[in-house]
Amino acid sequence: IAGITQAPTSQILAAGRRMTLRCTQDMRHNAMYWYRQDLGLGLRLIHYSNTAGTTGKGEVPDGYSVSRANTDDFPLTLASAVPSQTSVYFCASRPGGNSPLHFGNGTRLTVT
Amino acid sequence: GENVEQHPSTLSVQEGDSAVIKCTYSDSASNYFPWYKQELGKRPQLIIDIRSNVGEKKDQRIAVTLNKTAKHFSLHITETQPEDSAVYFCAASIEGTNAGKSTFGDGTTLTVKP
Repeated sequence: IAGITQAPTSQILAAGRRMTLRCTQDMRHNAMYWYRQDLGLGLRLIHYSNTAGTTGKGEVPDGYSVSRANTDDFPLTLASAVPSQTSVYFCASRPGGNSPLHFGNGTRLTVT
Repeated sequence: GENVEQHPSTLSVQEGDSAVIKCTYSDSASNYFPWYKQELGKRPQLIIDIRSNVGEKKDQRIAVTLNKTAKHFSLHITETQPEDSAVYFCAASIEGTNAGKSTFGDGTTLTVKP
């Protein structure tokens, strides 16, 4: 593993189902983030974590939950998927402070 | 919270010409401004960033300028090449803590015509 790994790469999910998107980083970065990317709307922050054991809400948190049990992993869970959650989801991390985001390759999720 | 507006949404230039993308931000406390390039089907990747203690930064054909008073910053690409074609995102955040949540502009699709 080098950088950030996201899984699955893509998924088609029936509405109402529960789904967890996985994100693992091997850079020992303190801060991790989940963004969703929709056409014409850029990247919108769902949830973030400053350090292991802490999480916070971004600008579009409804319908999503996260956990940060350790430094490396930051899973995103959709408790009951809805079609409006169809999007590309990017996990990102940074060491902290004034530093750029490192992104994973994304998960393309389609909710039918 | 922070609001970032990015213009234009699409930009088409001839190879060799310059391209300029502009962003404005609302929170005067923002002090870190990165630019990301996203090729089709790929992840965003940093191309250049600037902090509020400088007004301009250059890296080969790419430069970024910052006007803190007017709360806007711009990306300048000179001598454009077809491989510069991509979506470009600006972002703004308040650094100094681990929070540093970045707010992104909606992106500019740049097309460089050979």
